[in-house]
Amino acid sequence: DAGITQSPRHKVTETGTPVTLRCHQTENHRYMYWYRQDPGHGLRLIHYSYGVKDTDKGEVSDGYSVSRSKTEDFLLTLESATSSQTSVYFCAISRPSESFGYTFGSGTRLTVV
Amino acid sequence: GQQVMQIPQYQHVQEGEDFTTYCNSSTTLSNIQWYKQRPGGHPVFLIQLVKSGEVKKQKRLTFQFGEAKKNSSLHITATQTTDVGTYFCAGPGQAGTALIFGKGTTLSVSS
Repeated sequence: DAGITQSPRHKVTETGTPVTLRCHQTENHRYMYWYRQDPGHGLRLIHYSYGVKDTDKGEVSDGYSVSRSKTEDFLLTLESATSSQTSVYFCAISRPSESFGYTFGSGTRLTVV
Repeated sequence: GQQVMQIPQYQHVQEGEDFTTYCNSSTTLSNIQWYKQRPGGHPVFLIQLVKSGEVKKQKRLTFQFGEAKKNSSLHITATQTTDVGTYFCAGPGQAGTALIFGKGTTLSVSS
C-alpha cells in the first residue's frame, strides 16, 4: 500500500549480528506495529507503538527492541540475531478512516544463517 | 493469555463450491476483523464487525459475528480461483490495543 514501506525487503545475516528493520509511513498515524509470520503460527505481535517514544511489548518480544523517535519511522532491532528469528516481518499501521483496520507493509524476509 | 483460534487450518475446494472458516476467541471481543493474504503477499484488511449478531456481505463473502461476541465466521459462496489465499481473523488484545491474530485458514481452489 502506498503510505507504508518496509526496508530492506530481503536480508541475510549471520548469527550473532545486530539487524535493524525499518518501517516508514507517510500518513502521520499514531499507532504502528511489528509482527512476525511463521508457518503454523500465523501473525504474532512483537512490539507496537502508540506515539513517539511510546512503545510496548507484544507476545514474542524477547530478543527484539524497537524505537520510534519520529512519527513516521518505527525501527525493529534484533540485538543479536539467532536462527529462530528467521521469519517474515510485517509492519502495520492502524487507520481510523478504515475502521482502524490495519494496513500492512510488504514485509521483510529475514534469514539468519 | 488471550487466544484466537481458527478452523480449519487448510481447505481445498473445487471452483464453484462454498467455503467457510470459523474463528473463536477465548474472551469476549469488542470487535473482530478479517484479513486476506494472497500467496507471497501481505495481509489486506477486509472488514470489521462490531455488533453482536452482526452480518455483513461483500459480494460473495459473508461475515458473521456471534451473539456472544466470541466467535465469527467467513463464508464464501461459489469460490473462484481469485479467492485463493489465507484468511485471518483478529481481535483486540487484552489491553485493547494491538490485534491478536488467529493462525489463519489457507484456501486452495482448483478449476
